[in-house]
Amino acid sequence: DAGVIQSPRHEVTEMGQEVTLRCKPISGHDYLFWYRQTMMRGLELLIYFNNNVPIDDSGMPEDRFSAKMPNASFSTLKIQPSEPRDSAVYFCASSWDTYGYTFGSGTRLTVV
Amino acid sequence: AQKITQTQPGMFVQEKEAVTLDCTYDTSDPSYGLFWYKQPSSGEMIFLIYQGSYDQQNATEGRYSLNFQKARKSANLVISASQLGDSAMYFCAMREGVGNKLVFGAGTILRVKS
Repeated sequence: DAGVIQSPRHEVTEMGQEVTLRCKPISGHDYLFWYRQTMMRGLELLIYFNNNVPIDDSGMPEDRFSAKMPNASFSTLKIQPSEPRDSAVYFCASSWDTYGYTFGSGTRLTVV
Repeated sequence: AQKITQTQPGMFVQEKEAVTLDCTYDTSDPSYGLFWYKQPSSGEMIFLIYQGSYDQQNATEGRYSLNFQKARKSANLVISASQLGDSAMYFCAMREGVGNKLVFGAGTILRVKS
């Protein structure tokens, strides 16, 4: 199993540009989570899906952020327009039960 | 209110000694799970150990054990025989009841000295 796959690993973009982060969960996992990690706020849950349906998006910072899961093997997190304060590491994780969570390697986003 | 509290921002331990990383949690849900993750400088999140709220025994995984004190709402991680490769950030996390989402503490940086 290749694990949770995130792309890109690093992204540098200019303020105002659209950024799309991608995630492929582990096959068979029916939960998918998007987390953001910053020095100031630690690891924050942004949104999570169950069977491709968004369950809780209360952590999404504002309307500039959106997430989709069009099928069981793919999810995107989009920021439009991006701002310097969005600079962070974004993790995707998946699980199939209440115990087995697996994280991707993360995407380090820098907005200049 | 903080769901997960890790009071030690940083810890040092001598190689081959044991170290305890503290974690307290807050929940009114009788069904919950507690997790510890390791994040080395390379950045990945590595699962270490899990404790369910109904588990009677403290969880152990190799050199890792979880000191689960339910009445005190604490779930401390014990690393025995520390190795230089244990130097990393350690996060405690909790899953509450229905919903499956994990909430993380602020983390503890552990440095193992040779």
